[in-house]
Amino acid sequence: DTAVSQTPKYLVTQMGNDKSIKCEQNLGHDTMYWYKQDSKKFLKIMFSYNNKELIINETVPNRFSPKSPDKAHLNLHINSLELGDSAVYFCASSKIETQYFGPGTRLLVL
Amino acid sequence: ELKVEQNPLFLSMQEGKNYTIYCNYSTTSDRLYWYRQDPGKSLESLFVLLSNGAVKQEGRLMASLDTKARLSTLHITAAVHDLSATYFCAVDTSVNQFYFGTGTSLTVIP
Repeated sequence: DTAVSQTPKYLVTQMGNDKSIKCEQNLGHDTMYWYKQDSKKFLKIMFSYNNKELIINETVPNRFSPKSPDKAHLNLHINSLELGDSAVYFCASSKIETQYFGPGTRLLVL
Repeated sequence: ELKVEQNPLFLSMQEGKNYTIYCNYSTTSDRLYWYRQDPGKSLESLFVLLSNGAVKQEGRLMASLDTKARLSTLHITAAVHDLSATYFCAVDTSVNQFYFGTGTSLTVIP
């Protein structure tokens, strides 16, 4: 059983487009996250979401917006994609301490 | 913003040798995490260190935490090829914000 799943696994799109990445966790965790990993493997937290409280990393452009239809889902919507958005995006969830990461979505903006 | 630094960034070591990866962080935190990432894969939790002086061991890996020095170490004993991966440390604040280190890319050579 997959604990944290993401779709799609790969996403290739043109600059200026809007796209969404979906994330679902079946662990019953209270907190979900989105991370961006760049080509140098540097990981940066973008958002954390806990019981409808959203904490945003202030460096994240407002073109990025998380949407949580329910406790098990935290989707990432990106408007007006730019070349610099190309990266791997990881979703994660946690209950107390340990985070469980999804498989990642590889986004390439052309 | 909290800074988390790891060194070395790259490590090539022979099988059977011992080595230590260091993780320094810039602000007070009692929780330190270590993750492993294989190429093209997601992150896997290795250790969660929750207090000063905490030490945890799993197989050939041992992690420790000194909160006063703001330092954690990941010690590798008698390295084997299967340990080749990128290792990340991470620190969290009290508001579900995780900050990751730069990562240490480990290659174990025969």
